[in-house]
Amino acid sequence: GAGVSQSPSNKVTEKGKDVELRCDPISGHTALYWYRQRLGQGLEFLIYFQGNSAPDKSGLPSDRFSAERTGESVSTLTIQRTQQEDSAVYLCASSFNLLSTDTQYFGPGTRLTVL
Amino acid sequence: AQTVTQSQPEMSVQEAETVTLSCTYDTSESDYYLFWYKQPPSRQMILVIRQEAYKQQNATENRFSVNFQKAAKSFSLKISDSQLGDAAMYFCAYPAGTYKYIFGTGTRLKVLA
Repeated sequence: GAGVSQSPSNKVTEKGKDVELRCDPISGHTALYWYRQRLGQGLEFLIYFQGNSAPDKSGLPSDRFSAERTGESVSTLTIQRTQQEDSAVYLCASSFNLLSTDTQYFGPGTRLTVL
Repeated sequence: AQTVTQSQPEMSVQEAETVTLSCTYDTSESDYYLFWYKQPPSRQMILVIRQEAYKQQNATENRFSVNFQKAAKSFSLKISDSQLGDAAMYFCAYPAGTYKYIFGTGTRLKVLA
């Protein structure tokens, strides 16, 4: 596709339920990133993927959060047993390389609301 | 610790006027890049401009330019001839390491007609 896409655009769930958020990166981009953006705040790094390398999960806030990516394609961020503090916009970005010089291209995000 | 600080939660500018958004950062690195991203209400972050720290010359992209003061660790964004479409949240970002970006808390820019 022309850009990074994310689905769903909005997700409302009940506390305790599991949710899956999807990210489709730009074709050919080897690096993929997940961020969390709480209301009125900046972006909080969660996890990145680079090709087939093991992802860096150091930013994940708890073991309820996990993410997968198959090769250089779609990624899924899963939040188990959601809590109200998980309510945020979850942004995905991709870049051609895993380099700090490379521009990250962001998707429109998924707004998660946990009731 | 590497940090990025945006001290202006909100700024307003009259259409066609110029506004400057400030950003300071803290790093012990000597060679790095800095980025300004724009986030309109659609939520999609868009790269506005980036600066290479080893370059003396300030980056410019049309109406957007930066004032990069390496010694002061300051990276401000100047928007000239402001347009209604410039209204958005603006985030300053610094890549801490190979891939981990640190973002500031953002500045909300309002453009007044």
